[in-house]
Amino acid sequence: AQKVTQAQTEISVVEKEDVTLDCVYETRDTTYYLFWYKQPPSGELVFLIRRNSFDEQNEISGRYSWNFQKSTSSFNFTITASQVVDSAVYFCALSDNFNKFYFGSGTKLNVKP
Amino acid sequence: EAQVTQNPRYLITVTGKKLTVTCSQNMNHEYMSWYRQDPGLGLRQIYYSMNVEVTDKGDVPEGYKVSRKEKRNFPLILESPSPNQTSLYFCASSLQGYSNQPQHFGDGTRLSIL
Repeated sequence: AQKVTQAQTEISVVEKEDVTLDCVYETRDTTYYLFWYKQPPSGELVFLIRRNSFDEQNEISGRYSWNFQKSTSSFNFTITASQVVDSAVYFCALSDNFNKFYFGSGTKLNVKP
Repeated sequence: EAQVTQNPRYLITVTGKKLTVTCSQNMNHEYMSWYRQDPGLGLRQIYYSMNVEVTDKGDVPEGYKVSRKEKRNFPLILESPSPNQTSLYFCASSLQGYSNQPQHFGDGTRLSIL
């Protein structure tokens, strides 16, 4: 069965600190996709990134970067120089060969000024 | 404006009274899905649809029904709601009929079943 684990329930940092959100997944599929979504306090869900299982290149987008390692089944998300506007719940998700989606339980990030 | 629209946004009702939460998207997306969000559990997929007249169960389908008669609409039906279905519900859609695309989410529907 597919599973996504986000062991960090809540993280608090001070503005400008770097922070890494962990995501570990389980799947027997050889083809799958991984996602990160952001849910700010206003409640909407915002897509951040998608990665397929054949592309292990790390990605950087501004202050955001993602580290995908198949060897450890991890897809971690780092925010560099965090800002108050980064405060949100972040979800890691996996989609499988059967077109189903599996979300982790989320990590709540508090960035204090 | 490209969007996924859910109605109602909030609903308080009683056990056993049938209800429908509507979901409509204006992006001509093929894939649509329903999720429920509960504290500590993240989002769990209820049902999904890869195209018109094609629906399938997600992880937590018990107590729910869906239909996809038109491409743009994907209503969620609770035939006999129970208190354990109190939750925040999200509808989502993506361009192609596969789950490997980024999903656009509606603003959510908060259901309280008394």
